[in-house]
Amino acid sequence: ETGVTQTPRHLVMGMTNKKSLKCEQHLGHNAMYWYKQSAKKPLELMFVYNFKEQTENNSVPSRFSPECPNSSHLFLHLHTLQPEDSALYLCASSQEGSGGNSYEQYFGPGTRLTVT
Amino acid sequence: AQKITQTQPGMFVQEKEAVTLDCTYDTSDPSYGLFWYKQPSSGEMIFLIYQGSYDQQNATEGRYSLNFQKARKSANLVISASQLGDSAMYFCAMRESYGGATNKLIFGTGTLLAVQP
Repeated sequence: ETGVTQTPRHLVMGMTNKKSLKCEQHLGHNAMYWYKQSAKKPLELMFVYNFKEQTENNSVPSRFSPECPNSSHLFLHLHTLQPEDSALYLCASSQEGSGGNSYEQYFGPGTRLTVT
Repeated sequence: AQKITQTQPGMFVQEKEAVTLDCTYDTSDPSYGLFWYKQPSSGEMIFLIYQGSYDQQNATEGRYSLNFQKARKSANLVISASQLGDSAMYFCAMRESYGGATNKLIFGTGTLLAVQP
């Protein structure tokens, strides 16, 4: 496997279900991210992990719970979601240094989530 | 307030012609980075090109070039010799250096490019 992988690619869940999204990066990066992409809206940053530590929580509801057990894996645990949470969830990673802005983020293919 | 503006929801271009996708940004930080990503229908965001605020020359990567006009706060993407495979959504993004979360990217709403044979 190369790059950033995400599983599952598609997920349909009811509002009372509990599910998890998985992301794995094979690039040796030290930062990982969760984004939400809804129709006709800009990509929204949800969470940032630097060296396995959460450094950004962009006012995300508690029904979304991230977990970063190591620098290569990132999970997004979902419970009691709402229909408006239906979206494409993208994971990304980057190699962060001591400063600067040139560190591009590499994205996975996303998980298309539908909440019924 | 949204800091990245892409005013073209959709664009058409003939195969083999060049096309310019517009992006303007707003920041008070003197140090920032600008990125362009391509998103095909498969969903994956593909990094295309980067421009730093202090870079003297416009960035180029193969058929992609970035027309960086700092005074106008614009960072337009130019795709030369368009190919059918270039049909996709294109997103402009910015990263600022101030604050704790320095690796935060802010995205525009995107431009859907359709290349016609």
